[in-house]
Amino acid sequence: QVQLQESGPGLVKPSDTLSLTCAVSGYSISSSNWWGWIRQPPGKGLEWIGYIYYSGSIYYNPSLKSRVTMSVDTSKNQFSLKLSSVTAVDTAVYYCARMVDRGVFDYWGQGTLVTVSS
Amino acid sequence: EIVLTQSPGTLSLSPGERATLSCRASQSVSSSYLAWYQQKPGQAPRLLIYGASSRATGIPDRFSGSGSGTDFTLTISRLEPEDFAVYYCQQYGSSLLTFGQGTRLEIK
Repeated sequence: QVQLQESGPGLVKPSDTLSLTCAVSGYSISSSNWWGWIRQPPGKGLEWIGYIYYSGSIYYNPSLKSRVTMSVDTSKNQFSLKLSSVTAVDTAVYYCARMVDRGVFDYWGQGTLVTVSS
Repeated sequence: EIVLTQSPGTLSLSPGERATLSCRASQSVSSSYLAWYQQKPGQAPRLLIYGASSRATGIPDRFSGSGSGTDFTLTISRLEPEDFAVYYCQQYGSSLLTFGQGTRLEIK
């Protein structure tokens, strides 16, 4: 059974960098899949952030591209997200997910709420 | 960027009724690369449909998807109490993935 688990600080100060990690279990991150991040502001819809292949190929949402960095650590079977210069609008539940078939997210983490506040 | 517009915003129905949810794209979605997700409060989205009409593993056959080009539909043939949730469509025909704003399906 594929499982994903997000971890990281739940509170980040404005202008700081948000850092999250997604640990994958029950499946090798080096298998032929992409791995993605999606966020959801409280009470709002879903926004795709980006996705990464285990070899390091990456696609970012152009609206966030200047602030986003994603990476993969195959030795730990996990991948990570960094979002710099955060403001209150970056407050959201952040999900990691496995991507299949060019862009479908079939397994999701439970999500982690990150609040941007001083 | 392909913008997805879902309608209605909220749909009020009773258990046993048929639900029809719409997702319209601002431009044609190539190869019907359109997915539907269900999200309940406090939970992650759950994949229901991919490729516009293929059910994901374990999804009951009361859920069906149809459509092509710019117009897609999710149909729930006979609503069960656990089906009341928010539904999102998502296109993956371009490398820039986008979601619709969601349709809330509530109990009448």
